Formats: sequence, structure tokens, C-alpha cells
Amino acid sequence: AAGVIQSPRHLIKEKRETATLKCYPIPRHDTVYWYQQGPGQDPQFLISFYEKMQSDKGSIPDRFSAQQFSDYHSELNMSSLELGDSALYFCASSLSTREGARDTQYFGPGTRLTVL
Amino acid sequence: GEDVEQSLFLSVREGDSSVINCTYTDSSSTYLYWYKQEPGAGLQLLTYIFSNMDMKQDQRLTVLLNKKDKHLSLRIADTQTGDSAIYFCAESKGDYNTDKLIFGTGTRLQVFP
Repeated sequence: AAGVIQSPRHLIKEKRETATLKCYPIPRHDTVYWYQQGPGQDPQFLISFYEKMQSDKGSIPDRFSAQQFSDYHSELNMSSLELGDSALYFCASSLSTREGARDTQYFGPGTRLTVL
Repeated sequence: GEDVEQSLFLSVREGDSSVINCTYTDSSSTYLYWYKQEPGAGLQLLTYIFSNMDMKQDQRLTVLLNKKDKHLSLRIADTQTGDSAIYFCAESKGDYNTDKLIFGTGTRLQVFP
């Protein structure tokens, strides 16, 4: 079965540079989530999109922005990178149910961002 | 996460049962999940339980939910070395407006021969 695809898998950037992470959800899934997992930490919710609109927002820095496109893929844009942004960034996708709730979230393999 | 707590480490012998515990604080959570993360890898969904259930069994996995005490546990029967990983519990309200996952701190399970 098709899974969530994330690219790139690894990314190395310098401080103050920008980075763009991409996420391709499972086919027919309409909701995308972004999570950040620092070293030895649990994943923290950043932001989510449903049908190309932002649906929820967590602890996402102002330097980060994200969007969901018409083909449902999503991109997380990160500017003015800091050392503390080094982390594993996960994308997850889910499908809305008929009752309006959201089904289980399935995670991609993550993008490991290293900021030097 | 600050609202979901787990013990940090668990060490078991191969073939024994493992029990990983989780305490959550939001009584309005609708879904409770268990995810497995191997070193440097993504999050693999193991199982989940609705808040109106007490127990769910799926092959070697048994999930118990005590809603009164806000306590969730994952029992792995006949634990194998391949089960060595970090296990995260997670809660979600599962509604239309806010279905983000709040993760626990993770339990590192080590299985020795």
C-alpha cells in the first residue's frame, strides 16, 4: 500500500539559510500534519491542513510557514534557520470520515534537518 | 509531551511479556494510540483504541484503557528482539477542528536474549 512520502530524507543547511520540506500524503487523504521531533524528544505538532486550508496550529515559529497545494501535497518552508531547528520533521496524513471527524494519522519516514 | 507521561525505560528478556504504561490528562480525548519508532526511523502506528472501549487485542498486542484513572497500557506478548524500539502513546480529540496528536515522552524498550 502507498505510504506518506517525504523529501528530502536528509538536509544539511547553514544558519540563516532557508529550507523547504515536501510531503506527499497517502492517495485520497485530505488532511496533512507536520510534526517536529528534536533529539531525544517526543514529536511536537506544528501545523495541519485540510482541503488546502490551515485547520490547526501548534508551536510553529513565525519563521516557518506551510501550505497545502491542489494535489494535496504540502510544503513546510523554514527561513532564518537556527541551530535549534535541527530535528526530524514528520509529515502525517489522514482521511476525514463521513461524520466529519478525522481518521488515523499515518506518518512518513521523516526529513532529518541538520543546521550547522 | 507535558500532558502525557510514560516511564523512560523498560528492559525485558526475549519471550517474556512487556507492559508499557502511559498516563494522560485530557479526559476529552477520543482516540488513544500507540506508535513504535526504531532508531533513526519514522513512526509506525501499532494500534489504537477509542475512549469508549476498555480493551483491544491485536495479535501479540493488548491495549488496556482505564478511563477513570486516565491510564493506558500496551502489553506485548512473547517479546522479540525486533520489538526493541521507542514506544510512544498519543492522544487526540479526533474531532473536526482539533485532531492533533499529543505524544507521550516515549518508553525505550530493550529486549535482551
